[in-house]
Amino acid sequence: QVQLQQSGPGLLQPSQTLTLTCVISGDSVSRNNAAWNWIRQSPSRGLEWLGRTYYRSRWYRDYEVSVQGRITINPDTSKNQFSLQLNSVTPDDTALYYCARANYNSPSVPFDSWGQGTPVTVSS
Amino acid sequence: QSALTQPASVSGSPGQSITISCTGTSSDIGAYTFVSWYQHHPGEAPKLILYDVTYRPSGVSNRFSGSKSGNTASLTISGLQAEDEADYYCSSYTNTISPYVFGTGTKVTVL
Repeated sequence: QVQLQQSGPGLLQPSQTLTLTCVISGDSVSRNNAAWNWIRQSPSRGLEWLGRTYYRSRWYRDYEVSVQGRITINPDTSKNQFSLQLNSVTPDDTALYYCARANYNSPSVPFDSWGQGTPVTVSS
Repeated sequence: QSALTQPASVSGSPGQSITISCTGTSSDIGAYTFVSWYQHHPGEAPKLILYDVTYRPSGVSNRFSGSKSGNTASLTISGLQAEDEADYYCSSYTNTISPYVFGTGTKVTVL
Protein backbone atom coordinates (compact mmCIF):
# COMPACT_ATOMS: atom_id res chain seq x y z
CA GLN A 1 0.00 0.00 0.00
CA VAL A 2 1.76 3.13 -1.19
CA GLN A 3 1.58 6.24 0.94
CA LEU A 4 2.67 9.74 0.02
CA GLN A 5 3.46 12.18 2.83
CA GLN A 6 3.83 15.83 1.94
CA SER A 7 5.68 18.54 3.83
CA GLY A 8 6.56 22.17 3.29
CA PRO A 9 5.61 25.71 4.29
CA GLY A 10 2.11 26.98 3.71
CA LEU A 11 2.65 30.74 3.67
CA LEU A 12 4.94 32.64 1.34
CA GLN A 13 5.41 36.21 0.23
CA PRO A 14 5.35 37.20 -3.44
CA SER A 15 8.63 36.52 -5.28
CA GLN A 16 9.68 33.79 -2.83
CA THR A 17 10.33 30.16 -3.77
CA LEU A 18 7.88 27.43 -2.87
CA THR A 19 9.49 24.13 -1.93
CA LEU A 20 7.42 21.03 -1.14
CA THR A 21 8.57 17.47 -0.50
CA CYS A 22 6.71 14.20 -0.99
CA VAL A 23 8.04 11.15 0.86
CA ILE A 24 7.14 7.80 -0.68
CA SER A 25 6.52 4.65 1.34
CA GLY A 26 5.48 1.33 -0.16
CA ASP A 27 6.96 2.10 -3.58
CA SER A 28 10.17 3.39 -5.13
CA VAL A 29 10.72 6.73 -6.82
CA SER A 30 12.92 4.85 -9.30
CA ARG A 31 10.32 2.23 -10.29
CA ASN A 32 10.19 1.92 -14.06
CA ASN A 33 6.45 2.03 -14.67
CA ALA A 34 5.51 4.89 -12.36
CA ALA A 35 5.75 8.67 -12.55
CA TRP A 36 5.73 11.14 -9.69
CA ASN A 37 3.60 14.22 -10.12
CA TRP A 38 2.64 17.54 -8.59
CA ILE A 39 -0.92 18.79 -9.03
CA ARG A 40 -2.61 21.84 -7.56
CA GLN A 41 -6.20 22.86 -7.00
CA SER A 42 -7.65 26.31 -6.67
CA PRO A 43 -11.15 27.79 -6.99
CA SER A 44 -10.12 29.71 -10.10
CA ARG A 45 -8.21 26.94 -11.91
CA GLY A 46 -9.71 23.71 -10.59
CA LEU A 47 -7.25 20.82 -10.79
CA GLU A 48 -4.07 21.67 -12.65
CA TRP A 49 -1.24 19.27 -13.44
CA LEU A 50 2.11 20.96 -12.85
CA GLY A 51 4.72 18.40 -13.75
CA ARG A 52 6.31 15.01 -13.16
CA THR A 53 9.54 13.11 -12.86
CA TYR A 54 10.12 9.48 -13.77
CA TYR A 55 12.95 7.03 -14.34
CA ARG A 56 13.39 5.07 -17.56
CA SER A 57 17.11 4.20 -17.57
CA ARG A 58 17.61 7.91 -16.88
CA TRP A 59 15.60 10.61 -15.18
CA TYR A 60 12.98 12.57 -17.10
CA ARG A 61 11.05 15.69 -16.14
CA ASP A 62 8.00 17.18 -17.87
CA TYR A 63 6.34 20.46 -16.92
CA GLU A 64 3.10 22.23 -17.67
CA VAL A 65 3.71 25.02 -20.14
CA SER A 66 2.14 27.68 -17.91
CA VAL A 67 4.75 27.17 -15.17
CA GLN A 68 7.71 26.15 -17.30
CA GLY A 69 10.72 28.25 -16.45
CA ARG A 70 9.67 28.60 -12.80
CA ILE A 71 9.29 24.95 -11.82
CA THR A 72 11.69 22.16 -10.96
CA ILE A 73 10.75 18.65 -9.86
CA ASN A 74 13.58 16.54 -8.53
CA PRO A 75 13.81 12.96 -7.30
CA ASP A 76 15.89 12.01 -4.28
CA THR A 77 16.63 8.32 -4.43
CA SER A 78 18.55 8.29 -1.13
CA LYS A 79 15.41 9.39 0.72
CA ASN A 80 12.85 7.87 -1.69
CA GLN A 81 11.11 11.19 -2.19
CA PHE A 82 10.62 13.91 -4.75
CA SER A 83 10.27 17.63 -4.48
CA LEU A 84 8.61 20.61 -6.10
CA GLN A 85 10.33 23.96 -6.41
CA LEU A 86 8.32 26.88 -7.80
CA ASN A 87 10.16 30.18 -8.12
CA SER A 88 8.90 33.75 -8.08
CA VAL A 89 5.50 32.90 -6.66
CA THR A 90 2.58 35.31 -6.94
CA PRO A 91 -0.86 35.31 -5.32
CA ASP A 92 -2.03 33.41 -8.40
CA ASP A 93 -0.02 30.41 -7.11
CA THR A 94 -2.21 30.20 -4.03
CA ALA A 95 -3.68 26.71 -4.11
CA LEU A 96 -3.88 23.31 -2.49
CA TYR A 97 -0.86 21.33 -3.73
CA TYR A 98 -0.87 17.55 -4.07
CA CYS A 99 1.77 15.01 -4.93
CA ALA A 100 0.52 11.92 -6.75
CA ARG A 101 1.74 8.70 -8.29
CA ALA A 102 0.84 7.94 -11.90
CA ASN A 103 0.62 4.29 -12.77
CA TYR A 104 1.77 3.14 -16.21
CA ASN A 105 0.04 -0.22 -15.84
CA SER A 106 -2.95 1.42 -17.56
CA PRO A 107 -2.95 3.38 -20.84
CA SER A 108 -4.61 6.39 -19.19
CA VAL A 109 -1.74 6.51 -16.67
CA PRO A 110 -4.07 7.51 -13.84
CA PHE A 111 -3.15 9.06 -10.52
CA ASP A 112 -3.83 6.12 -8.22
CA SER A 113 -2.21 7.44 -5.03
CA TRP A 114 -2.27 10.97 -3.66
CA GLY A 115 -0.64 12.87 -0.84
CA GLN A 116 -2.73 14.56 1.80
CA GLY A 117 -2.43 18.00 0.22
CA THR A 118 -0.61 21.13 1.37
CA PRO A 119 -2.45 24.46 1.37
CA VAL A 120 -0.18 27.20 0.09
CA THR A 121 -1.00 30.89 0.41
CA VAL A 122 1.01 33.61 -1.30
CA SER A 123 0.39 36.96 0.30
CA SER A 124 2.32 40.02 1.36
CA GLN B 1 -4.48 22.71 -23.38
CA SER B 2 -7.97 23.89 -22.44
CA ALA B 3 -9.75 22.26 -19.55
CA LEU B 4 -12.34 19.63 -20.31
CA THR B 5 -15.89 20.88 -19.85
CA GLN B 6 -18.09 19.48 -17.10
CA PRO B 7 -21.41 20.73 -15.71
CA ALA B 8 -20.84 22.78 -12.58
CA SER B 9 -23.36 20.83 -10.57
CA VAL B 10 -25.58 17.77 -10.73
CA SER B 11 -28.03 16.65 -8.10
CA GLY B 12 -30.22 13.65 -7.42
CA SER B 13 -32.20 11.91 -4.75
CA PRO B 14 -30.98 8.82 -2.91
CA GLY B 15 -31.38 5.75 -5.08
CA GLN B 16 -31.50 7.66 -8.33
CA SER B 17 -28.93 7.56 -11.10
CA ILE B 18 -27.06 10.62 -12.30
CA THR B 19 -24.68 11.17 -15.20
CA ILE B 20 -21.82 13.66 -15.41
CA SER B 21 -20.52 14.59 -18.83
CA CYS B 22 -16.96 15.55 -19.71
CA THR B 23 -16.48 17.17 -23.11
CA GLY B 24 -13.13 17.55 -24.78
CA THR B 25 -11.88 17.65 -28.33
CA SER B 26 -10.77 15.33 -31.07
CA SER B 27 -7.21 15.80 -29.77
CA ASP B 28 -7.85 14.39 -26.30
CA ILE B 29 -11.03 12.50 -25.41
CA GLY B 30 -11.97 11.95 -29.02
CA ALA B 31 -8.59 10.49 -29.91
CA TYR B 32 -7.95 8.09 -27.05
CA THR B 33 -9.59 5.91 -24.40
CA PHE B 34 -7.35 7.48 -21.79
CA VAL B 35 -10.03 8.97 -19.56
CA SER B 36 -9.99 8.80 -15.77
CA TRP B 37 -12.43 10.04 -13.14
CA TYR B 38 -11.67 11.24 -9.62
CA GLN B 39 -13.90 11.72 -6.60
CA HIS B 40 -12.90 14.49 -4.23
CA HIS B 41 -14.37 15.03 -0.82
CA PRO B 42 -13.15 18.43 0.45
CA GLY B 43 -10.41 18.01 3.02
CA GLU B 44 -9.42 14.61 1.66
CA ALA B 45 -7.12 13.50 -1.13
CA PRO B 46 -8.81 12.90 -4.50
CA LYS B 47 -9.64 9.26 -5.19
CA LEU B 48 -9.38 7.47 -8.53
CA ILE B 49 -12.74 5.85 -9.32
CA LEU B 50 -12.46 5.05 -13.04
CA TYR B 51 -9.61 4.71 -15.53
CA ASP B 52 -9.34 3.77 -19.20
CA VAL B 53 -12.94 5.07 -19.50
CA THR B 54 -14.67 2.08 -17.93
CA TYR B 55 -12.36 0.30 -15.47
CA ARG B 56 -12.77 0.53 -11.71
CA PRO B 57 -9.84 0.19 -9.31
CA SER B 58 -10.13 -2.51 -6.70
CA GLY B 59 -12.45 -1.45 -3.90
CA VAL B 60 -14.46 1.08 -5.90
CA SER B 61 -18.20 0.47 -5.90
CA ASN B 62 -19.75 -0.95 -9.06
CA ARG B 63 -22.32 1.84 -8.78
CA PHE B 64 -19.76 3.93 -10.66
CA SER B 65 -19.57 3.32 -14.40
CA GLY B 66 -18.10 5.12 -17.37
CA SER B 67 -18.57 5.46 -21.08
CA LYS B 68 -17.35 7.51 -24.02
CA SER B 69 -18.86 8.69 -27.28
CA GLY B 70 -16.96 10.91 -29.65
CA ASN B 71 -15.42 13.80 -27.75
CA THR B 72 -17.52 13.25 -24.61
CA ALA B 73 -16.92 10.91 -21.71
CA SER B 74 -19.53 10.23 -19.05
CA LEU B 75 -19.60 9.06 -15.44
CA THR B 76 -22.80 7.47 -14.17
CA ILE B 77 -23.49 6.97 -10.49
CA SER B 78 -26.28 4.47 -9.89
CA GLY B 79 -28.19 4.05 -6.64
CA LEU B 80 -27.06 7.46 -5.42
CA GLN B 81 -26.01 7.52 -1.76
CA ALA B 82 -25.28 10.33 0.68
CA GLU B 83 -21.59 9.41 0.66
CA ASP B 84 -21.46 10.14 -3.08
CA GLU B 85 -21.83 13.85 -2.38
CA ALA B 86 -18.48 15.20 -3.54
CA ASP B 87 -16.71 16.92 -6.40
CA TYR B 88 -15.95 14.83 -9.48
CA TYR B 89 -13.23 15.51 -12.03
CA CYS B 90 -12.50 13.86 -15.34
CA SER B 91 -9.03 13.74 -16.83
CA SER B 92 -7.60 12.83 -20.19
CA TYR B 93 -4.07 11.65 -20.84
CA THR B 94 -2.08 12.30 -24.00
CA ASN B 95 1.45 11.30 -24.83
CA THR B 96 2.69 14.87 -25.08
CA ILE B 97 4.93 17.09 -22.99
CA SER B 98 1.81 18.36 -21.15
CA PRO B 99 0.18 14.98 -20.82
CA TYR B 100 -2.77 15.65 -18.56
CA VAL B 101 -5.82 17.85 -18.83
CA PHE B 102 -8.48 17.92 -16.15
CA GLY B 103 -12.14 18.70 -16.32
CA THR B 104 -13.63 21.79 -14.73
CA GLY B 105 -15.20 19.72 -11.97
CA THR B 106 -18.79 18.84 -11.04
CA LYS B 107 -20.30 19.17 -7.60
CA VAL B 108 -22.70 16.32 -6.91
CA THR B 109 -25.41 17.01 -4.37
CA VAL B 110 -27.58 14.30 -2.87
CA LEU B 111 -30.94 15.84 -2.12
